[in-house]
Amino acid sequence: DQQVKQNSPSLSVQEGRISILNCDYTNSMFDYFLWYKKYPAEGPTFLISISSIKDKNEDGRFTVFLNKSAKHLSLHIVPSQPGDSAVYFCAASLNAGGTSYGKLTFGQGTILTVHP
Amino acid sequence: DTEVTQTPKHLVMGMTNKKSLKCEQHMGHRAMYWYKQKAKKPPELMFVYSYEKLSINESVPSRFSPECPNSSLLNLHLHALQPEDSALYLCASSHWRLGTADYEQYFGPGTRLTVT
Repeated sequence: DQQVKQNSPSLSVQEGRISILNCDYTNSMFDYFLWYKKYPAEGPTFLISISSIKDKNEDGRFTVFLNKSAKHLSLHIVPSQPGDSAVYFCAASLNAGGTSYGKLTFGQGTILTVHP
Repeated sequence: DTEVTQTPKHLVMGMTNKKSLKCEQHMGHRAMYWYKQKAKKPPELMFVYSYEKLSINESVPSRFSPECPNSSLLNLHLHALQPEDSALYLCASSHWRLGTADYEQYFGPGTRLTVT
């Protein structure tokens, strides 16, 4: 049962344009969402996160939007740069009164390619 | 220091071998994690340690044996593995605050394991 889904395996964008990566989830108890970026031969790197009590969080060129009613979140990168080319994973966490021990459920990932 | 280190980077082992993977962090994190990642799949949680005690075992076969000898080190002992255990093994860590783990986890680069 895939509780976190990234339905687009890949996305190709021109440098300077907006990249929009999407993520859907099924478990309405998830209360925190994160985006990780992964380069080949490296571990995932934390990018940005959002609590379920918010609908938007912004950090520089990166903005995450959360639509709880649709169980959907998206990551916007503006402007996109060639160095942003990587695999992007959406992840969700369920605190469950503090007993989750930080367990993250990851989506399958989206390969972003930004062309110069 | 915001780095999680893992050794070795690559490991090839036979099905009768015994080997260990090592993970180290010096960020003062008291939650540490082992993940397994197969090609083109998301990371899957295997174990969680909090304050050097095993908190979560995601029904991992006993041929994988984790160990947390101190707050900075996490080991994964391997014995009698199968070829399907070949994967990237990722270690991660996070802070422990107010009785629960921080959501943001810091990942190491992983150990690429091949079982022959």
